[in-house]
Amino acid sequence: DVKVTQSSRYLVKRTGEKVFLECVQDMDHENMFWYRQDPGLGLRLIYFSYDVKMKEKGDIPEGYSVSREKKERFSLILESASTNQTSMYLCASRPGGSNYGYTFGSGTRLTVV
Amino acid sequence: DAKTTQPPSMDCAEGRAANLPCNHSTISGNEYVYWYRQIHSQGPQYIIHGLKNNETNEMASLIITEDRKSSTLILPHATLRDTAVYYCIVRVAFNTGGGNKLTFGTGTQLKVEL
Repeated sequence: DVKVTQSSRYLVKRTGEKVFLECVQDMDHENMFWYRQDPGLGLRLIYFSYDVKMKEKGDIPEGYSVSREKKERFSLILESASTNQTSMYLCASRPGGSNYGYTFGSGTRLTVV
Repeated sequence: DAKTTQPPSMDCAEGRAANLPCNHSTISGNEYVYWYRQIHSQGPQYIIHGLKNNETNEMASLIITEDRKSSTLILPHATLRDTAVYYCIVRVAFNTGGGNKLTFGTGTQLKVEL
């Protein structure tokens, strides 16, 4: 089975800190994604990447950046964390050139205080 | 991507078939129907997808109407572990613009009871 592993299940950070959320997948998938999930708003796409060093903005990229230096790893960076970035963050991957579904990680619940 | 409409909640008795409907009346010819579910505090899990033919896998069956304006996800023998939020999503094929993006709505909360 494909595994998507997110480095932390729970994180608490202070306002203004730089925060790194890490995601690793083990099935050589080309496409990787970062979503955030908030009550009443569903899942919203932040960024995605379809290849190493390639990235595209999703629906809500403001306040975030990403890095994909290796195929298996996709990092989400909060440049200066704010309280409105308190959320559940979900990483996903999918094979490129196919219509297969996503495989999601278990999520990181980030609280910014 | 076409918008979907699902009932906010449904109940099902354990052992019975759970039939979850989804309306996607504005679906276009190159859009697939996907189903995911999310068990509390976990990431969403892919279940099944289809274009126009009915599909079946080890988890569920997907029935798409002939006009493709609606579909039904069928869990043939629901168990307590199937209690989750079920999302119906339509998405263009990967080789068209925006084909990588999934837009999740609010889904259907399925509660399976004894």
